[in-house]
Amino acid sequence: DTGVSQNPRHKITKRGQNVTFRCDPISEHNRLYWYRQTLGQGPEFLTYFQNEAQLEKSRLLSDRFSAERPKGSFSTLEIQRTEQGDSAMYLCASRDGGWGGYTFGSGTRLTVV
Amino acid sequence: GIQVEQSPPDLILQEGANSTLRCNFSDSVNNLQWFHQNPWGQLINLFYIPSGTKQNGRLSATTVATERYSLLYISSSQTTDSGVYFCAVERGNAGNMLTFGGGTRLMVKP
Repeated sequence: DTGVSQNPRHKITKRGQNVTFRCDPISEHNRLYWYRQTLGQGPEFLTYFQNEAQLEKSRLLSDRFSAERPKGSFSTLEIQRTEQGDSAMYLCASRDGGWGGYTFGSGTRLTVV
Repeated sequence: GIQVEQSPPDLILQEGANSTLRCNFSDSVNNLQWFHQNPWGQLINLFYIPSGTKQNGRLSATTVATERYSLLYISSSQTTDSGVYFCAVERGNAGNMLTFGGGTRLMVKP
C-alpha cells in the first residue's frame, strides 16, 4: 500500500491554458474524492466517484472543471481555460466504501500566471 | 449545510507545553476526523473519531457527538507538531463528503 498518489506535485501554467491532474487512490478503495484548498482555508469538496460512477458533481466550481475515473482506478481532474483564481492546492482522497476514514494524497499545487 | 468551527484560530506554544484544540459542528455527523497539514501541504490523518476517546502517543481526541464537539489534546508539544490542524465532519445524507473547519495554526517554539 503506497497511499494516495498525485501527479504532478506542482504545475505552473499560463492563463487560458488547460491543465490535467492525476490521482491514483489506494488500490482497494472504491471511493475517490477531489478537494480544492486555497491559501489559509480548509479544503472544500469538489466531486467524488464510487468506482467509475461520478455520484456528486454539483460542487464543481464551474463548467470549466471536469473529472473522470474511466475504469474505477485512477482519476483525472481537468481545468479548461485556466484563470488566476484557479490557483490553489488540489487534493485527492480515497476510502473503502462509505464508511471509515479518508486518506489524502500530497496534492497538486497549481499556479496560474 | 453543516458548519464547522475550530478554535483557537492561531496558537503559539513553548516546546513542552500542552494544548487543547476544539471543533464545534452544527448538526449530527457520522464521521469526524482530525488531520495535521504539514508544511508541504499533505493532510495526515490523526484520528477517525465519530464518538468516544482515542489516544495515539502524545495525542488524544474526544468527540461528544450528542453535544456536537470534539477536542484534540496535544501533550508535551514538540517543534514538529507545528502546522495546521483541521477537523472535518461528514453527514450520512450529504453525498458522503467531508466538510472542513477553518483550522488551527499551531507554532511550537523551541
